[in-house]
Formats: sequence, C-alpha cells, structure tokens
Amino acid sequence: NAGVTQTPKFRILKIGQSMTLQCAQDMNHNYMYWYRQDPGMGLKLIYYSVGAGITDKGEVPNGYNVSRSTTEDFPLRLELAAPSQTSVYFCASMFGQGSDLAYEQYFGPGTRLTVT
Amino acid sequence: AQTVTQSQPEMSVQEAETVTLSCTYDTSENNYYLFWYKQPPSRQMILVIRQEAYKQQNATENRFSVNFQKAAKSFSLKISDSQLGDTAMYFCAFIPKWGGNKLTFGGGTRVLVKP
Repeated sequence: NAGVTQTPKFRILKIGQSMTLQCAQDMNHNYMYWYRQDPGMGLKLIYYSVGAGITDKGEVPNGYNVSRSTTEDFPLRLELAAPSQTSVYFCASMFGQGSDLAYEQYFGPGTRLTVT
Repeated sequence: AQTVTQSQPEMSVQEAETVTLSCTYDTSENNYYLFWYKQPPSRQMILVIRQEAYKQQNATENRFSVNFQKAAKSFSLKISDSQLGDTAMYFCAFIPKWGGNKLTFGGGTRVLVKP
C-alpha cells in the first residue's frame, strides 16, 4: 500500500492564481481530511469528508473548495490564492467506527505552498 | 465541544534519559480514543500511540508509554531512553468513539533530545 499520497510536494503561486492539491489513499478509508499547518503552529482543519459525495467544512474553510467523487481521492482547490494561504497542507484519512483500526488518522507527506 | 491542552510548549532531554509530556482534555463523552502523534523536522505526521478510554491498561509501544488517568482527564506520554531521532513536535489528539468524525488536536510540545 502507498498509504496517503499528495501531489505536488512544493508549489509557488502568484497572488490570484488557482491550483488543486491532489490527495489519494489506497486503504479504502471512508473518512478523509485536509489540514493546514502554519509555521510553528498546530493543525487546522479545512474540510473533511465522511464518504464519497459528502463533504463538510472544518474551522478554516474560506478560500478553499473540495470534492469527493470517489473513495480514493479528495482534491483541495484554492481559488484566487492569497499570501495568507502560504502554509503546509496535509491530507489524512481514516476508517470510521466499526473497524479495529477506527479513528487512527494516516497522514500524507504534505504540500508546501508559498503564495507571493 | 472537546478541547485538548498541552501545557508545555518546549522540553529538552539528554539522550538516554526519560521525558514526560503532558496532555489534558475536556469532554463530556464517556467513550473515546486518545492519540499521540509525532512530527519530526521532515514534517511527516506519525502515529505514536493510541489509547481507548474504556481500556484500563495503559498503552505502550516500545520506548513510548502513556499514563491515562480518565477521572483526571489526563493523558501523558513518556519517552524512555530518549534518542536523537525522537526530536520532534508531539501532538495529543482526541476523538469520541460514537459519532466522532474529527480529531481535536492539542497545540503541540516541541521535544529536543540533546547528545
């Protein structure tokens, strides 16, 4: 298993540009998450999904959009990039209740995004 | 709503010694899971240890062990025989067992292991 994969690893955007951060998992997890981590800080939840076709906002959703058309993929879209979105973005996934491994979140390696 | 508090922003420890990180949480749930995650300088988030609230026995994983005090809502992590590779940020996290779909993270504790 590759686990949780994220692309790209690094990206520099100009203000106002848009991009999509890709996330995929091959563990058949039903729950998937997007977090951002600013320098020296903890994780903040942007969006999450409890299954294909279902998404919900986290604590910092403004400026982002997500979709979940398949169990495996959960892309994060940045529209009109702003310097405040400079951060490291982590995707994560987990089984929900009913599994012996329930609630253990597995993280991707992160995408370092700079907006200038 | 649940909250998770890590009161020690930074800690340092000599190689081969033991360090204990504190974590307290606030919840009205009776059944839940607690986790410690490690984030080394590579930024990869790594699950260190997991504790289920209904289990009395404290979880252990090699040199990592927890002291889970349910009544006190305390979940400390002990790192024994510290190694240079243990240098990292450590995050405590909570999720309720029933209906839980989001982890609540603490603010993190930076651990520096000195040679």
